[in-house]
Amino acid sequence: DSGVTQTPKHLITATGQRVTLRCSPRSGDLSVYWYQQSLDQGLQFLIQYYNGEERAKGNILERFSAQQFPDLHSELNLSSLELGDSALYFCASSISPTNEKLFFGSGTQLSVL
Amino acid sequence: QKEVEQDPGPLSVPEGAIVSLNCTYSNSAFQYFMWYRQYSRKGPELLMYTYSSGNKEDGRFTAQVDKSSKYISLFIRDSQPSDSATYLCAMSSGGSNYKLTFGKGTLLTVNP
Repeated sequence: DSGVTQTPKHLITATGQRVTLRCSPRSGDLSVYWYQQSLDQGLQFLIQYYNGEERAKGNILERFSAQQFPDLHSELNLSSLELGDSALYFCASSISPTNEKLFFGSGTQLSVL
Repeated sequence: QKEVEQDPGPLSVPEGAIVSLNCTYSNSAFQYFMWYRQYSRKGPELLMYTYSSGNKEDGRFTAQVDKSSKYISLFIRDSQPSDSATYLCAMSSGGSNYKLTFGKGTLLTVNP
């Protein structure tokens, strides 16, 4: 167990809908990362937060947004969902914003029908 | 050319075999190199972490980095069925601009 908790494990929704994915980092970790994993693209970095502030942005669509709350948990909001958004979404955490040793959660499997 | 290239396999070996997994990369700024292991329906877990060129050994696992060739390897000795997983290489240039770039992963099956 990595200590990173993600909910829900599975999410099935329809095109055009909006969903929220939740992540609780390991105890003591201030930095949270969101990744998207699909068969054709592999693991793609979406966004990073450190202690409540956005730190880095990757290949995140404008329809997607995230935030990190004072208690350090993070949420990834996906809106106007398309079929192509179906993927595994992982949250990871680390102690510092420049620490490459990431601890991943078990992921949320999103299926857009 | 992708920043990180990794042969997706699949790779199937008998128990006890030596496994070699490899990645090539194009960004000469990469300094930190990692291997993650991902079991089916689980998140990736950090297996090996190396800075710059050289070898690092941890039990049955050895990570090698050759920066001059932009080539990294992971060797697994005496492979076990429990090693069956997808192995992802990852790398970053470090510093204040965080970006961890992953390979697509190689699916390994170790047959008993």
